[in-house]
Amino acid sequence: AQKITQTQPGMFVQEKEAVTLDCTYDTSDQSYGLFWYKQPSSGEMIFLIYQGSYDEQNATEGRYSLNFQKARKSANLVISASQLGDSAMYFCAMRERQDRTGNQFYFGTGTSLTVIP
Amino acid sequence: KAGVTQTPRYLIKTRGQQVTLSCSPISGHRSVSWYQQTPGQGLQFLFEYFSETQRNKGNFPGRFSGRQFSNSRSEMNVSTLELGDSALYLCASSPGTGANQPQHFGDGTRLSIL
Repeated sequence: AQKITQTQPGMFVQEKEAVTLDCTYDTSDQSYGLFWYKQPSSGEMIFLIYQGSYDEQNATEGRYSLNFQKARKSANLVISASQLGDSAMYFCAMRERQDRTGNQFYFGTGTSLTVIP
Repeated sequence: KAGVTQTPRYLIKTRGQQVTLSCSPISGHRSVSWYQQTPGQGLQFLFEYFSETQRNKGNFPGRFSGRQFSNSRSEMNVSTLELGDSALYLCASSPGTGANQPQHFGDGTRLSIL
């Protein structure tokens, strides 16, 4: 089974509107971290936001917020007041608790977001 | 703090050659991971090093190898290059391997195989 699933290959949003990028994850661990990254066309991967599995509050970082629904194993990224510079690929990722076999990062396939003027 | 530095930024090789890519993590970061990114396969995990030890390895052939030095700098090597190895190779570092620690990425090395 896929550890991270992003079902939206591409999304469009009007400038200044809010947009939600979906992410579901699969783990049997109780302790894990969820992350979102942005990759503009230039290629660099930019860390946006982190949510811990034990965090009761949804994480927020400026215009980014993470809608964490633990029972549904979902960690959707919400971008408010979209800007043209938000056009990029967005990746959801998870890291489980370290165990003797290691604990690599798992990335989804990404969602391409285009902000329309 | 300086970010993750990858060298070179661009590289052109021919089939059958070998290549070494370098990654200097953020100061104080001891975990370094490598990824291959292609349009068709997306972001694929290659391996992770922590304190000079390989902790995880992705599903890549033995032509792909890596190492980490005592100063946490890492190199990855690809031998007998194939056309399909053309990709963006990304290095990422984190302080450790805790589940609460984000990885920070370098700008990548774009490898083209002719």
